[in-house]
Amino acid sequence: SQTIHQWPATLVQPVGSPLSLECTVEGTSNPNLYWYRQAAGRGLQLLFYSVGIGQISSEVPQNLSASRPQDRQFILSSKKLLLSDSGFYLCALNGAGANVLTFGAGSRLTVL
Amino acid sequence: EDQVTQSPEALRLQEGESSSLNCSYTVSGLRGLFWYRQDPGKGPEFLFTLYSAGEEKEKERLKATLTKKESFLHITAPKPEDSATYLCAVQAQGGSYIPTFGRGTSLIVHP
Repeated sequence: SQTIHQWPATLVQPVGSPLSLECTVEGTSNPNLYWYRQAAGRGLQLLFYSVGIGQISSEVPQNLSASRPQDRQFILSSKKLLLSDSGFYLCALNGAGANVLTFGAGSRLTVL
Repeated sequence: EDQVTQSPEALRLQEGESSSLNCSYTVSGLRGLFWYRQDPGKGPEFLFTLYSAGEEKEKERLKATLTKKESFLHITAPKPEDSATYLCAVQAQGGSYIPTFGRGTSLIVHP
């Protein structure tokens, strides 16, 4: 079965510091991968998605970037964090032609 | 642009008190409508997919229904363990497989 591992689970970072959140998947090949952010009281905001290695599409202009160096690895990064980057970050996948998303457990980021 | 609106934002029920959550959507051709359950501090978990008006799906105390403009998640005789945020998402025909999510309904069931 498909599983998603996200780390770290919790992160507290000062404003202006860099960020790296990692997502790795198991049990599937060539998945579509997604990064979502969920702020308090708001829905899931799609940040980036990837249909293959090195292929990244950005949905919202922002302070973040994403990379997919391997088929089953998806990384969310920032060079300098802003207060507004705080939130719950979720990695998700679906297979080619599949509709249902499988989500990871999430990474809680607090920027102080 | 695809839109999904969920109501109410929050719902408090007593154990055994049945109710319904609403998901209204606007999409240029529906490929599928999805319901997910999200527990606090965790990622959403898939519940149901509905594809066409009139379709119904059931799982334990939950039943999801679909019309051309909205979906309902009916909760019959809820228990405290049903407390969670319920998310609705739609996927449009054509183009990418990226779903559009609503903001969710936070459900609390009191014992």
